[in-house]
Amino acid sequence: EVQLLESGGGLVQPGGSLRLSCAASGFTFSNYGMNWVRQAPGKGLEWISLIIPSGASTYYADSVKGRFTISRDNSKNTLYLQMNSLRAEDSAVYSCAKADYGDYGILHIWGQGTMVTVSS
Amino acid sequence: DIVMTQSPDSLAVSLGERATINCKSSQSLLYSSNNKNSLAWYQQKPGQPPKLLIYWASTRESGVPDRFSGSGSGTDFTLTISSLQAEDVAIYFCQQYYTTPYTFGQGTELEIK
Repeated sequence: EVQLLESGGGLVQPGGSLRLSCAASGFTFSNYGMNWVRQAPGKGLEWISLIIPSGASTYYADSVKGRFTISRDNSKNTLYLQMNSLRAEDSAVYSCAKADYGDYGILHIWGQGTMVTVSS
Repeated sequence: DIVMTQSPDSLAVSLGERATINCKSSQSLLYSSNNKNSLAWYQQKPGQPPKLLIYWASTRESGVPDRFSGSGSGTDFTLTISSLQAEDVAIYFCQQYYTTPYTFGQGTELEIK
């Protein structure tokens, strides 16, 4: 069974940092692109970032570019999101999502998410 | 960025009746290389992550009931639930994956009338 389990969320002050992790199981992690998507409480979905299977290329939403870094460790089947210079508007549930084998934007499987709250 | 606009924002349909949700993109999602539209539909129930229902505008994800269907091309797309069941109460989102940044519609809340 394909599973994605996020961790690392919590309460952080504005300007602070957090690193989120997404542990993958049930599939060959190194063969698939991976995405991060966030959802503020009661709001819609916002795509944040994509990393291709090899990790050689990454893509970001303008709202996080220069502050967030996506990475992956294929030997550990784990996806990461390093979040720096956090703002109140970054408060949301952050979910990782496994992409389609042939197209990185088709999000077949999502994790349950981890909550990030940015507040003083 | 490609803007995705759904209509209506909310919808109430009787059990067994048809539900139709529309999604419009600010530019064409049709890939000339494969003649497919880069449009997906997701269902989100309270407290759960989104679930992929439809991709390439009309391809049903494995395990999704056949009462769910997607149609449309270019900039105008539709998700249809042919006979609404109680378990279909959820928020539905469309998403374009034609280009990054991938973008979602604002969501349509589907309820039972």
